[in-house]
Amino acid sequence: EVKLLESGGGLVQPGGSMRLSCAASGFTFTDFYMYWIRQPAGKAPEWLGFIRNKANGYTTEYNPSVKGRFTISRDNTQNMLYLQMNTLRAEDTATYYCAGAYGYWGQGVMVTVSS
Amino acid sequence: DIVMTQAPLSVSVTPGESASISCRSSKSLLHSNGITYVYWYLQKPGKSPQLLIYRMSNLASGVPDRFSGSGSETDFTLKISRVEAEDVGIYYCGQLLENPFTFGSGTKLEIK
Repeated sequence: EVKLLESGGGLVQPGGSMRLSCAASGFTFTDFYMYWIRQPAGKAPEWLGFIRNKANGYTTEYNPSVKGRFTISRDNTQNMLYLQMNTLRAEDTATYYCAGAYGYWGQGVMVTVSS
Repeated sequence: DIVMTQAPLSVSVTPGESASISCRSSKSLLHSNGITYVYWYLQKPGKSPQLLIYRMSNLASGVPDRFSGSGSETDFTLKISRVEAEDVGIYYCGQLLENPFTFGSGTKLEIK
């Protein structure tokens, strides 16, 4: 059974940083691209970026809206996906999801950027 | 960015009837490899989105065959046959052809 479990969310001040984690299980982690998506309350989701699989060198792509502030990485020994978020703004407030194998999404974690 | 435009904004359906949701992309989603990179998701109340249809017409694992996807290069349709109460939620189309991937604004399905 594919499972994706995000963690690391919470309240952060504007200008601060936060790292989200996503624990993956139930599939061969290195075979799959992994994605981060966010969804502000009451709005449509927004793709943030992805990291490719082993066959494609684990390279990354980002939405220009977050490029330079957000970094996606993975630890293939621990089956973990990460999202490092820097210089956070109020408009980054959202539920953050990881997604991967077979189109599965995690349950999401809330990030609130506020003073 | 590729813009995904959904219609209608909301739809109210009697159980057992059919429903169709439309999605139009601002650019062809047909790749040179012959695959059309449009996806459909359902977000049930209080839940994370779940994949229903991938690459325009392929049913995701575990999704009832009451759901089907079709379309052309820029116009797509999600059809739900024999709507059930469990189908309520917001349906999103999305494109995974070109970065940044983008979603439509969603269609809310309600039961009459």
